[in-house]
Amino acid sequence: GAGVSQSPSNKVTEKGKDVELRCDPISGHTALYWYRQSLGQGLEFLIYFQGNSAPDKSGLPSDRFSAERTGGSVSTLTIQRTQQEDSAVYLCASSLEPGESYEQYFGPGTRLTVT
Amino acid sequence: SQQGEEDPQALSIQEGENATMNCSYKTSINNLQWYRQNSGRGLVHLILIRSNEREKHSGRLRVTLDTSKKSSSLLITASRAADTASYFCATVGAQKLVFGQGTRLTINP
Repeated sequence: GAGVSQSPSNKVTEKGKDVELRCDPISGHTALYWYRQSLGQGLEFLIYFQGNSAPDKSGLPSDRFSAERTGGSVSTLTIQRTQQEDSAVYLCASSLEPGESYEQYFGPGTRLTVT
Repeated sequence: SQQGEEDPQALSIQEGENATMNCSYKTSINNLQWYRQNSGRGLVHLILIRSNEREKHSGRLRVTLDTSKKSSSLLITASRAADTASYFCATVGAQKLVFGQGTRLTINP
């Protein structure tokens, strides 16, 4: 079956512009996660969705970042007024259920470059 | 703050040799997972070891867990060029995985 897909694969934008990143999780997976990975670094948790519950936004670095998940499936991560420090690979993952017993399936990521 | 920390940060070995990577974590866990990442893109789940397990095997992978020392190790035997990647351990905090900084493994032909 299809895995997690993300679009676009690469995005170059000018400082100050808004960007939207999309994630299509595996069908039937209730949990969806967004991570950010700067060059040569580990993964930084951003936000987590579980079913219809309120998302865990504790990892969002500033109020310029927001995300939504429509219909319990597709998710978009929006970055407003992008800054150069926002340049990173943004990874989306989904799992059948939330929590530690379930492996996360990752998409290929979106490489964002802010010039 | 990161829960897991991998050691070493980088490892370079010859093809055919064994590679060992270590992970330390800070709080109590129910399980620990290892992931592999190629070329800075998506991660692939390798193995999950539960807190009541001490060792687990999957193909050429062997994972150990020492809960008393809050540490885990990942051993790749008979390494191949295709094993070149970054390897991350992950533990759970508040229902979300927390990843370490990773070990960059390079297999030289």
